[in-house]
Amino acid sequence: QSALTQPASVSGSPGQSITISCTGTTSDVGSYNLVSWYQQYTGKAPKLMIYEVSKRPSGVSNRFSGSKSGNTASLTISGLQAEDEADYYCCSYADSSTFVFGTGTKVTVL
Amino acid sequence: EVQLVESGGGLVQPGQSLRLSCAASGFTFSTYWMHWVRQAPGKGLVWVSRINSEGSSTSYADSVKGRFTISRDNAKNTLYLQMNSLRAEDTAVYYCARDDLGSGFDPWGQGTLVTVSS
Repeated sequence: QSALTQPASVSGSPGQSITISCTGTTSDVGSYNLVSWYQQYTGKAPKLMIYEVSKRPSGVSNRFSGSKSGNTASLTISGLQAEDEADYYCCSYADSSTFVFGTGTKVTVL
Repeated sequence: EVQLVESGGGLVQPGQSLRLSCAASGFTFSTYWMHWVRQAPGKGLVWVSRINSEGSSTSYADSVKGRFTISRDNAKNTLYLQMNSLRAEDTAVYYCARDDLGSGFDPWGQGTLVTVSS
């Protein structure tokens, strides 16, 4: 049950696109299309942004998109805005009906 | 409105026990998986435990297996986490979250802080 690997930080200017990677193994990301992404502001509860690799919940901006290739999932934020500055976590279903979160990525809008 | 409200957190000494509760409202509680996720101060999210809709199947992170027990009372729309043999490293904000068959955790409660210290 090792945490999925994410970059510690990613930054971009307003209007740019950024991509956050989430690398796991064949025991989690590589074997299941149950990868989700969460946005968390400091001191607040996380919010679901992407589920089942690439689906967006109602109310989430279409600037957020998800994808997966092999053992790595990715979250792309296009048209970066100041309000996107937050921590982002990936999560995957894993073997033995467990789940594992990523290490987290701090997004900074320059 | 779909809502989850955790309670039961507090300060306990190492080796002691604590039971967290998560009251659900605004949806049919008995049809969803439920989870506990924790976050140590200044650290990332860590999945703790999951229970299926009927309460017949559970799973745990290795770090809490044998010490924590997840359960639910569908008649009371409430999720529980019984935490025994608490350690300093269990100090964290504990969140409950709803899940639709593993697809994603939504929504989350506001969290309850558990502090394990002598």
